[in-house]
Amino acid sequence: DQQVKQNSPSLSVQEGRISILNCDYTNSMFDYFLWYKKYPAEGPTFLISISSIKDKNEDGRFTVFLNKSAKHLSLHIVPSQPGDSAVYFCAATTVQGGSEKLVFGKGTKLTVNP
Amino acid sequence: NAGVTQTPKFQVLKTGQSMTLQCAQDMNHEYMSWYRQDPGMGLRLIHYSVGAGITDQGEVPNGYNVSRSTTEDFPLRLLSAAPSQTSVYFCASSYGHMNTEAFFGQGTRLTVV
Repeated sequence: DQQVKQNSPSLSVQEGRISILNCDYTNSMFDYFLWYKKYPAEGPTFLISISSIKDKNEDGRFTVFLNKSAKHLSLHIVPSQPGDSAVYFCAATTVQGGSEKLVFGKGTKLTVNP
Repeated sequence: NAGVTQTPKFQVLKTGQSMTLQCAQDMNHEYMSWYRQDPGMGLRLIHYSVGAGITDQGEVPNGYNVSRSTTEDFPLRLLSAAPSQTSVYFCASSYGHMNTEAFFGQGTRLTVV
């Protein structure tokens, strides 16, 4: 059972426009949500995170919005740049039975066209 | 600055062979973890460690062993490789819990034939 879902395998946007990447989750115990970016043949790199007690976190061109009632979060990239073309993973964490749990979505491949 | 270093980058094993994937970090991070990524899938947590001498299982621990004798190193052992373990393996480290920024190595592409 997939607890973190990224339902769009791919997204294509024009340079300068907004990119919106979506993520849904099912486990209400998740307390932090993170976004990672991954280029081919490289390890993921951290982008931004948000605590479940907040509804928005912003870092430069990247903003993450969290809607707890809908169990939905989104990553907004404004303005999008060709260098943003990568696979974006949504991830969620919680602690269960004393063990930490970190669950990733399957990723969304973003292509920003010049 | 090296960050997280994984070796080897590529490896082909025969079914039943054993091997160790190496991971080292030079950032003095307490947390280290191993993930596998399969085609069309997100990363799945195999094992993690919250400090030297302490390890715990993740989502998919079967077939893998880990130990953490130093802060810097966190090797992943495959005792008897199976084709189902063909994957790309990533090691990561972070200063704190998994809800903090993790730094990943470049990955090890393992093929079991």
